[in-house]
Amino acid sequence: DTAVSQTPKYLVTQMGNDKSIKCEQNLGHDTMYWYKQDSKKFLKIMFSYNNKELIINETVPNRFSPKSPDKAHLNLHINSLELGDSAVYFCASSQAPEAYEQYFGPGTRLTVT
Amino acid sequence: SQKIEQNSEALNIQEGKTATLTCNYTNYSPAYLQWYRQDPGRGPVFLLLIRENEKEKRKERLKVTFDTTLKQSLFHITASQPADSATYLCALDPTSGGSYIPTFGRGTSLIVHP
Repeated sequence: DTAVSQTPKYLVTQMGNDKSIKCEQNLGHDTMYWYKQDSKKFLKIMFSYNNKELIINETVPNRFSPKSPDKAHLNLHINSLELGDSAVYFCASSQAPEAYEQYFGPGTRLTVT
Repeated sequence: SQKIEQNSEALNIQEGKTATLTCNYTNYSPAYLQWYRQDPGRGPVFLLLIRENEKEKRKERLKVTFDTTLKQSLFHITASQPADSATYLCALDPTSGGSYIPTFGRGTSLIVHP
């Protein structure tokens, strides 16, 4: 059974388009995250939700909007895509916001042309 | 400014030797530190967590040390195997405004040669 799943795995789209990435975890965790990993492999947190409430919102353009319909799901919607948005986006979950290991999804490779 | 530094150069070692990876940080006071493994095309996988009041943590062939005075963590893999080849990331959880912000280093690539 996949603990943290993301769809799609690959996403190729043109500048200006709007796209969504979906994430689901079946671990019963309370906290979920979105990370961006750029071409230099730097993994940077974007958002975190705990029990469907936003608790971390790092310096991310407001074109990025997370939505957590329930504890098991955290989706990422991106408006007006730009070339610089090209990266791998990882979803993760943990039992609680602090001092707990995170379980990562397989990643979504977004390419904006 | 706050920094987490891991050696950007790949570490090449022979099978059977001990690999030692370093994570240094500045301007953080983390309560704990985590190590993850990342294989190409995959998400990071949690390996070990060590708290500030722990000097050392072990799990099978893995050992992590945490020196809050030196602001450094060392990650050791004993009897290394080619299957240990991967990128290893350290992560801190500094608190900012009451929220824990997981912050990762860029990772060090380990290559174990048979």
